[in-house]
Amino acid sequence: DAMVIQNPRYQVTQFGKPVTLSCSQTLNHNVMYWYQQKSSQAPKLLFHYYDKDFNNEADTPDNFQSRRPNTSFCFLDIRSPGLGDAAMYLCATSRVYLYEQYFGPGTRLTVT
Amino acid sequence: TQLLEQSPQFLSIQEGENLTVYCNSSSVFSSLQWYRQEPGEGPVLLVTVVTGGEVKKLKRLTFQFGDARKDSSLHITAAQPGDTGLYLCAGPSVGSARQLTFGSGTQLTVLP
Repeated sequence: DAMVIQNPRYQVTQFGKPVTLSCSQTLNHNVMYWYQQKSSQAPKLLFHYYDKDFNNEADTPDNFQSRRPNTSFCFLDIRSPGLGDAAMYLCATSRVYLYEQYFGPGTRLTVT
Repeated sequence: TQLLEQSPQFLSIQEGENLTVYCNSSSVFSSLQWYRQEPGEGPVLLVTVVTGGEVKKLKRLTFQFGDARKDSSLHITAAQPGDTGLYLCAGPSVGSARQLTFGSGTQLTVLP
């Protein structure tokens, strides 16, 4: 089945220790998104790509970066995680912008 | 900034009861999407409504888009524990051809 896969599902990192979260998709969608979600709140958009055209939201911290080396894969790098970065990180794809989004299962990040 | 307000924020009901969740805005949306997010998973698209006054049914779930396309509702008949989750509405953001605005969410718990 075509899907969005996120690894790992659970990630524990130490305060200030860089961490990378990964996302892959078999849907061949043009658009990929990274969201941050805290405790049953709405997802907050961090970045999005149309193919390799990268866009970050104005309020996305500089501590967060992203890479999309090819259509299928996208990575979220957190350079120096703080306690406030503990959250669920969701990857999503859509065929084009504003079309229905397909979400991965998320990576639950814990910062100790 | 365009806002989607969902109500209630939290809802806990017994199995077999009916319920309605609301998604309201002061702005007109060209379409609205409804997602359900189960604990520990990513959101899953339930339906997209496009036409003012449109009603869509998905088994025991009935979705309605307001005539003026500023609001939407989700009605669940005879709720079951499997309906438990965070219900999110989302629509295209005004001024952005690329993003969805997500509502604040309704956390539904259906008790057996």
